[in-house]
Amino acid sequence: DADVTQTPRNRITKTGKRIMLECSQTKGHDRMYWYRQDPGLGLRLIYYSFDVKDINKGEISDGYSVSRQAQAKFSLSLESAIPNQTALYFCATSEPLTSGRGNEQFFGPGTRLTVL
Amino acid sequence: AQSVAQPEDQVNVAEGNPLTVKCTYSVSGNPYLFWYVQYPNRGLQFLLKYITGDNLVKGSYGFEAEFNKSQTSFHLKKPSALVSDSALYFCAVRDGGNFNKFYFGSGTKLNVKP
Repeated sequence: DADVTQTPRNRITKTGKRIMLECSQTKGHDRMYWYRQDPGLGLRLIYYSFDVKDINKGEISDGYSVSRQAQAKFSLSLESAIPNQTALYFCATSEPLTSGRGNEQFFGPGTRLTVL
Repeated sequence: AQSVAQPEDQVNVAEGNPLTVKCTYSVSGNPYLFWYVQYPNRGLQFLLKYITGDNLVKGSYGFEAEFNKSQTSFHLKKPSALVSDSALYFCAVRDGGNFNKFYFGSGTKLNVKP
């Protein structure tokens, strides 16, 4: 788990504020993902990226944007936070599908975001 | 559409007894199925996966899962539960059309009592 780190771990903010959540990994993986976890809903994919020039929307990308600054860094931004974006956010990485472990994802510890 | 269902929000079992956490799926094409475990204040950890081959897949911490194509199920099992197995368990399936996307179930909280 220490190979994928997320900052901050907890954040409380107000409606309308811009928030950035950061993810760094030392696993050398090309693929990185952002999910949000809500009670009773499991994890839902927000964005994913194969490399710094390849970013794709997931199921619930509205209200979010991402930046892949380097292979090791993938940031999630909430341009104008709203209360229903209160959730637990996870970053994950994976190897290319051609590798033997390409289907496994490695998750960071999560960021608990509260929007008041 | 791809989806995963975990019909039980919570499973309670006594230590030493066998446990089963249920998962059913819907996916186009061949299913690639996974189980992850989440301990409090931690990210998800990979337990096991089914890609092809034997229907009984063995994974970490003594867990195994049984793939049943006719019932579209992938239930997680362990012959003898430990208190330390208490956690939140997620079943996931890879998107049959976009292999880079995964769909997770809503999670099942496993409580193992001494």
